[in-house]
Amino acid sequence: RKEVEQDPGPFNVPEGATVAFNCTYSNSASQSFFWYRQDCRKEPKLLMSVYSSGNEDGRFTAQLNRASQYISLLIRDSKLSDSATYLCVASLGDSSYKLIFGSGTRLLVRP
Amino acid sequence: GAVVSQHPSWVICKSGTSVKIECRSLDFQATTMFWYRQFPKQSLMLMATSNEGSKATYEQGVEKDKFLINHASLTLSTLTVTSAHPEDSSFYICSARRSDGQGLRGYTFGSGTRLTVV
Repeated sequence: RKEVEQDPGPFNVPEGATVAFNCTYSNSASQSFFWYRQDCRKEPKLLMSVYSSGNEDGRFTAQLNRASQYISLLIRDSKLSDSATYLCVASLGDSSYKLIFGSGTRLLVRP
Repeated sequence: GAVVSQHPSWVICKSGTSVKIECRSLDFQATTMFWYRQFPKQSLMLMATSNEGSKATYEQGVEKDKFLINHASLTLSTLTVTSAHPEDSSFYICSARRSDGQGLRGYTFGSGTRLTVV
């Protein structure tokens, strides 16, 4: 079983749509969680951190449910520029500082 | 902001040769550098963690004699793919953790190196 699992998609949505991505993690000792965005043939870039209390940044909202070991990302009012692969990331928060990446969910926003 | 310069951005080499990839932190000190590999439509897989001045820690299944990592200074880490074979063709990315004690937001990724072995 993968440590971080995501639906690979692709999610094909029209501009202006609201889309939600889900992610589950298997290691209950994971402490910190993030969503990264990766464009084709580029390095991943941090989108936002994820907290149990929820985290909102403009059109993006991330949520963590530790009991269910479940993470979500909601994108409202999708833009063409949102088309990318969204990576769910977990970290144990130990001295290794390792980041464990999910395989990513691909989003295609069409005009 | 923090920048990690990764070179080369792409390289084509013949089977059996070695390729060196460099990652430099330009405006901060990176005590820890992570090296990832990403195959098409797959996620980033951590290959090894290198700490300045000490031996790298390799993930299970990664051959340390094939993927040589050197982290001799706080601003430079290198990955050498020795005796490369076509199956080593992949996207290699480094990530530096800043040494100023910032939390887990303190990671900066290089722009990646696309290696093609022919």
